[in-house]
Amino acid sequence: DAKTTQPPSMDCAEGRAANLPCNHSTISGNEYVYWYRQIHSQGPQYIIHGLKNNETNEMASLIITEDRKSSTLILPHATLRDTAVYYCIVRDYGSSNTGKLIFGQGTTLQVKP
Amino acid sequence: DSGVTQTPKHLITATGQRVTLRCSPRSGDLSVYWYQQSLDQGLQFLIQYYNGEERAKGNILERFSAQQFPDLHSELNLSSLELGDSALYFCASSPAGTGLTGELFFGEGSRLTVL
Repeated sequence: DAKTTQPPSMDCAEGRAANLPCNHSTISGNEYVYWYRQIHSQGPQYIIHGLKNNETNEMASLIITEDRKSSTLILPHATLRDTAVYYCIVRDYGSSNTGKLIFGQGTTLQVKP
Repeated sequence: DSGVTQTPKHLITATGQRVTLRCSPRSGDLSVYWYQQSLDQGLQFLIQYYNGEERAKGNILERFSAQQFPDLHSELNLSSLELGDSALYFCASSPAGTGLTGELFFGEGSRLTVL
């Protein structure tokens, strides 16, 4: 699976949009981009995933660049409860993929009042 | 609530001892994954089972072993415990074992403290 690079930490004001970047310049054509988050030692929680089109769900939006070498997770109206470590993960969807996720260090997002 | 249940939530034991952590996956999920999270290592993938058989192995020590039973629950056995084994141990489950398996659902973890 391709490696991802994320900033170690970011701040965001409550009520504002949080934009979390991820670089995955070695991503291949059969790899998806996944985002998970972990709130204070709880189990990681799935947020969203995408292949090449932008995706949106009730939690967030995922913007993937046309060349797929980077992506941005957008939390449109961050709240204090969004303070967490956010992980960007690239995963192959082929038959060689067993489904496991390999986590990097992630970005610690601090939402401030 | 992810639907994945882990027991015990907290466990304190001494060096050299052996413990067993238990995981019940979501109903219908065939894959179970184990992860270790210590302060200085982040989330490390240990091992995956699919429908009772080992499917993938990560950074799992030889002192650790796991299995998945016919009812699909899984146990992670940690033996000859060392101080460095103190960590959060997470179990996750997903429906399938290969290809695009969708999201993993994580339990709340078992916190192991080795004194």
